Amino acid sequence: DTGVSQNPRHKITKRGQNVTFRCDPISEHNRLYWYRQTLGQGPEFLTYFQNEAQLEKSRLLSDRFSAERPKGSFSTLEIQRTEQGDSAMYLCASTSDNTEAFFGQGTRLTVV
Amino acid sequence: DAKTTQPPSMDCAEGRAANLPCNHSTISGNEYVYWYRQIHSQGPQYIIHGLKNNETNEMASLIITEDRKSSTLILPHATLRDTAVYYCIVRPMDSSYKLIFGSGTRLLVRP
Repeated sequence: DTGVSQNPRHKITKRGQNVTFRCDPISEHNRLYWYRQTLGQGPEFLTYFQNEAQLEKSRLLSDRFSAERPKGSFSTLEIQRTEQGDSAMYLCASTSDNTEAFFGQGTRLTVV
Repeated sequence: DAKTTQPPSMDCAEGRAANLPCNHSTISGNEYVYWYRQIHSQGPQYIIHGLKNNETNEMASLIITEDRKSSTLILPHATLRDTAVYYCIVRPMDSSYKLIFGSGTRLLVRP
């Protein structure tokens, strides 16, 4: 296993377009997390899944954001009608009982 | 909001010990102290965690005060590759493993 994988690594999009990011967690991990990180700040929690169930969503996750984990394996994070303020690094992490959280390298989104 | 306070930046010489402090004066009895670090352009990496006792692993040592209101992460022999932002996080003993990051300490290891 190569760890948590995120695709794409970089995404440039025009304001108003929709974007979708993918996260493949470590295979035996049942919990998956999304975070957002802007320049000079620590990561901010967005949402997390246990298997396919989305158990918590931050108030940061506006209605333009939606996350899914349909089969309890990979997850997608979609942002609709992107705004310049959405420009950030989007990080995915996974864990299971008795393990620590492992993070992917993130997807850097730039909205122009 | 993060429940920890850390200095924004520190530096140390290569080969010397790096001691990174963290205040968590409002920590409760069912909360761990976790440390992660983030090297430029990478995702955060787990370092160590503890509850009451001091802990050591291959990466670092964690010293927690008796009243648990503060802790220190020690990198015994810092290398240039240890240059990173270090985050001290208080995490409850629930199953969610949600991490609330602050701004961290930017450690620069000088040659």
